[in-house]
Order: sequence, then C-alpha cells, then structure tokens
Amino acid sequence: SQQGEEDPQALSIQEGENATMNCSYKTSINNLQWYRQNSGRGLVHLILIRSNEREKHSGRLRVTLDTSKKSSSLLITASRAADTASYFCATEITGTGAGSYQLTFGKGTKLSVIP
Amino acid sequence: EAGVAQSPRYKIIEKRQSVAFWCNPISGHATLYWYQQILGQGPKLLIQFQNNGVVDDSQLPKDRFSAERLKGVDSTLKIQPAKLEDSAVYLCASSLDFPGQLNTEAFFGQGTRLTVV
Repeated sequence: SQQGEEDPQALSIQEGENATMNCSYKTSINNLQWYRQNSGRGLVHLILIRSNEREKHSGRLRVTLDTSKKSSSLLITASRAADTASYFCATEITGTGAGSYQLTFGKGTKLSVIP
Repeated sequence: EAGVAQSPRYKIIEKRQSVAFWCNPISGHATLYWYQQILGQGPKLLIQFQNNGVVDDSQLPKDRFSAERLKGVDSTLKIQPAKLEDSAVYLCASSLDFPGQLNTEAFFGQGTRLTVV
C-alpha cells in the first residue's frame, strides 16, 4: 500500500515563480526522500531528509519535515520550464521483514512550469 | 559511474504469455528494488533484495510473479502468465546501503514499459 500522499495532485505556475508541494504520511519514518520524474523517464533522487532533521537545502530546493504532523514540503524557488515533471515523496518505513525497512512512494504532484 | 541498466525498454505481449525483465544495478550496491508503476500513479514496491536475499515481497503477486537476484548482483523479474492489468512500467532501483542505514538514496533505471494485449 502507498504511505505518502502528495498535495496538490497538479500544479501549474509561471516561470520564475516558486512551487510548493506537500507530502503527508501515516506511519513513523526513518527518512523521507523526494524524487523527480520527467515524462517517459526514470526517477531521479533530489533530496533526503532524516527523521531528526527539520529542514534541508539543495540548490533551489528546500525541504522541510514535521514529524509531529507527519508531513513534509518541497519548495522549488525561481522555477524554470525544465522543472516541469512529476514529483514524488518516498518514505523509508519499517518493512514486513524482521528488522527491515522499505522505500514507499506517494502518487505524486504533476508540476507544469509555463515559460 | 554507470547507472542502473534495464532491458528491454519496451515489450508487448499477449495475455497469458510470459515475460522476463533484467536489471543490472550500480556496482557495489547492496539493495535492489523492483517497482511497478501504472500510468498516472506512483511506483509500487514489488520486491526488495538485500544482497541476494529477499527482504520484502509482500506486494508481489506470487502466483504469477517471481524474481531472483543472482550472486547479489543482477536481477530478473518474471511474469507468467501475464494479465491485462500487468500493463505498466517496471522500474529497477538500487541503493548503496540497506534501508535504515546511511546511504539509502535509490538510483533508478529507465524502466521497461510492458503492454499486455
């Protein structure tokens, strides 16, 4: 079953604007990761934030994590047309195998950046 | 550094036929995942290997799907017999460490797009 849920499902903005996507999850996590998927291509890892971290930056990306609310947000600043893609949050949670973890994905947010 | 390699890129088969997908992960990566991604949805974990052992296959339809990881390196995923609802992209990914450890970012291959007619 899918643990994370992104919001909104779709987002359309003008180039240069900021884009914010949210992810809510259900169970305790070891870490939370964000991935990007361009049309017809594989997923690319963007950023990982551990459960004891609250904020992380990478270039134009800013991720926050609130474990008390079981939510995370991804902010892309000064968006570009090349940022057009689907964005997924993935949570590392306890798996079914003893002592194991698994990486589960949400349904994604489809971002369109209009030039 | 070479990425995760998958083949074939595309496959069209008739229902009830069998099909196999191959994945070569990044060298040295301990964990290998197979995900199924239906159009418009997020990837769904089918099976997870740590080295050559299965850690989680709770969402693998075992009556028709099977997977193995040979000598802790390459992996194959097989569907026999295929159903129409198996039409999806099958993604292979690998990570350096086991989930729960430090370096658990997953690197994905380009995927195999399966169409069952």
